[in-house]
Amino acid sequence: AAGVIQSPRHLIKEKRETATLKCYPIPRHDTVYWYQQGPGQDPQFLISFYEKMQSDKGSIPDRFSAQQFSDYHSELNMSSLELGDSALYFCASSPPTLQGKEGYTFGSGTRLTVV
Amino acid sequence: LAKTTQPISMDSYEGQEVNITCSHNNIATNDYITWYQQFPSQGPRFIIQGYKTKVTNEVASLFIPADRKSSTLSLPRVSLSDTAVYYCLVGSSGSARQLTFGSGTQLTVLP
Repeated sequence: AAGVIQSPRHLIKEKRETATLKCYPIPRHDTVYWYQQGPGQDPQFLISFYEKMQSDKGSIPDRFSAQQFSDYHSELNMSSLELGDSALYFCASSPPTLQGKEGYTFGSGTRLTVV
Repeated sequence: LAKTTQPISMDSYEGQEVNITCSHNNIATNDYITWYQQFPSQGPRFIIQGYKTKVTNEVASLFIPADRKSSTLSLPRVSLSDTAVYYCLVGSSGSARQLTFGSGTQLTVLP
């Protein structure tokens, strides 16, 4: 079965550089969520998109922005990177209505290391 | 968004049944309860979701009492590969929804 695809899997950037993370949701899933998980921490919700519009916003820094495109894939753009941005970044997708037997499907994540 | 409380850690032995309880005292009427499993450096994986009473699938059972202020994830006959962090999440199934992860439970299965 198709899963949520994230790219790249690993990314190393220097401080003050920019990074772009991509997420390709499961076909027919219209909602995408981005999470950040620091070392030893729980996933923190950043932002979500429903039908290409931002639907919820969490603890996303102003240096970060994201969008969902017409094919439903999403990109998380991160600028002026800081050492503290080093984390696993997960993308999840969900269908229009959760029927009680399914949840969000997460990708394998992008590990960003800022040096 | 309803806040959840779970034990920080639990130990079990292979072959035992493990029950992890989650408290969600301010759960809303339209909230579902969902459990996820996460292995190190991997994305959370959906285990089970329920609204009330009992739900069972191939890997787990979810027990929800009538007041819905708590829920219990039951893993039958755990194996070493079930060692992971387990998260209980509460949220609605509306169109503008998000999952808020609280502090999960680190389950360690011992041989």
